[in-house]
Amino acid sequence: SQQGEEDPQALSIQEGENATMNCSYKTSINNLQWYRQNSGRGLVHLILIRSNEREKHSGRLRVTLDTSKKSSSLLITASRAADTASYFCATDARGAQKLVFGQGTRLTINP
Amino acid sequence: NAGVMQNPRHLVRRRGQEARLRCSPVKGHSHVYWYRQLPEEGLKFMVYLQKENIIDESGMPKERFSAEFPKEGPSILRIQQVVRGDSAAYFCASSPGGASVREQFFGPGTRLTVL
Repeated sequence: SQQGEEDPQALSIQEGENATMNCSYKTSINNLQWYRQNSGRGLVHLILIRSNEREKHSGRLRVTLDTSKKSSSLLITASRAADTASYFCATDARGAQKLVFGQGTRLTINP
Repeated sequence: NAGVMQNPRHLVRRRGQEARLRCSPVKGHSHVYWYRQLPEEGLKFMVYLQKENIIDESGMPKERFSAEFPKEGPSILRIQQVVRGDSAAYFCASSPGGASVREQFFGPGTRLTVL
């Protein structure tokens, strides 16, 4: 399996509920980032969390990082229809400049 | 304050033709990355360039693919003799660079269709 794997692969919830997506990785990292991609569009950067950070907030987003378990979670609170998109985690391994992306979680918010 | 620009947004080529994809990074950014995304998959790293230098091309296919980032002008990803398997979305990202990877700003992508 690849570095930066998300689960679940697909998630469908009702508007107003919270959505939680998880990401696991294998190697030591400098940073972990979450991106959103609307269907057929480019990626939008959501949040970056450094390896020495455990939690970060941005608006309705909350990201946690557990380096001992090599995992991260993205929580979107009070979801909206506009949150419908694919969400990807991306890691940069120490000593490397490239980002390694997971397969993504397809999130659907039902009105 | 323009972001990363890519053109064309959509490109259709017949098998055997050449595809040239252009990327203009955020103004002031000297690092450019190319990624490929197949349908329903995540992005896969292809190549990382700084001005006039290829730093990491570990994700580039050994044949038919090349990339450049000249001193002046956009970065170019070139695919020679395209095949149907090259059909994908190609994304360019840029960053200011530095000692560690920071946020990469992505362009809207070029969707290549090979007939």
